[in-house]
Amino acid sequence: SQQGEEDPQALSIQEGENATMNCSYKTSINNLQWYRQNSGRGLVHLILIRSNEREKHSGRLRVTLDTSKKSSSLLITASRAADTASYFCATSETYKYIFGTGTRLKVLA
Amino acid sequence: DAGVTQSPTHLIKTRGQHVTLRCSPISGHKSVSWYQQVLGQGPQFIFQYYEKEERGRGNFPDRFSARQFPNYSSELNVNALLLGDSALYLCASSPAGQETQYFGPGTRLLVL
Repeated sequence: SQQGEEDPQALSIQEGENATMNCSYKTSINNLQWYRQNSGRGLVHLILIRSNEREKHSGRLRVTLDTSKKSSSLLITASRAADTASYFCATSETYKYIFGTGTRLKVLA
Repeated sequence: DAGVTQSPTHLIKTRGQHVTLRCSPISGHKSVSWYQQVLGQGPQFIFQYYEKEERGRGNFPDRFSARQFPNYSSELNVNALLLGDSALYLCASSPAGQETQYFGPGTRLLVL
């Protein structure tokens, strides 16, 4: 079974708006990662945040981590049509990676 | 540098058959992981191999097996295929000591 649960399952916004998606997980983690998947193909790593970090930025991406609530959020600012994809959070236990259910983001031009 | 490559890209099999999927990691990556992704869901972890040894296993039946070769490439084998094995099978490689995974484009398997 999957540990991470993303919320919302689907999100549709206009180009230029911000998109926020959330991830909850169940067990203690060393780090949490976010990945993007276009059109059911391979996943692309976006950002990794360690358990002792609370916030991390990479370009238009901002990730927060709240280990007390076992949750993380991914914010994409000034969205573009090219950001249309599915986004997954992933946590790792010992030599085992657990992906969430994903958020399908659609950015309308 | 070339990314992770997988073959074949698509495959159609019938129930009860056997299938072998192949993966070549990024040069220098010694860890390879396999995932099954059913349509509309997130990837489900199947195996992780490091230095030719199985290091992690997900909740999949014994019909699923894998191995890693001295050049770090890997094969995923599935026996006695079921309709429910229809999915996108993803391979990912990682550099030693890093958690970030680099994914291949996947093999789409259809079982009829």
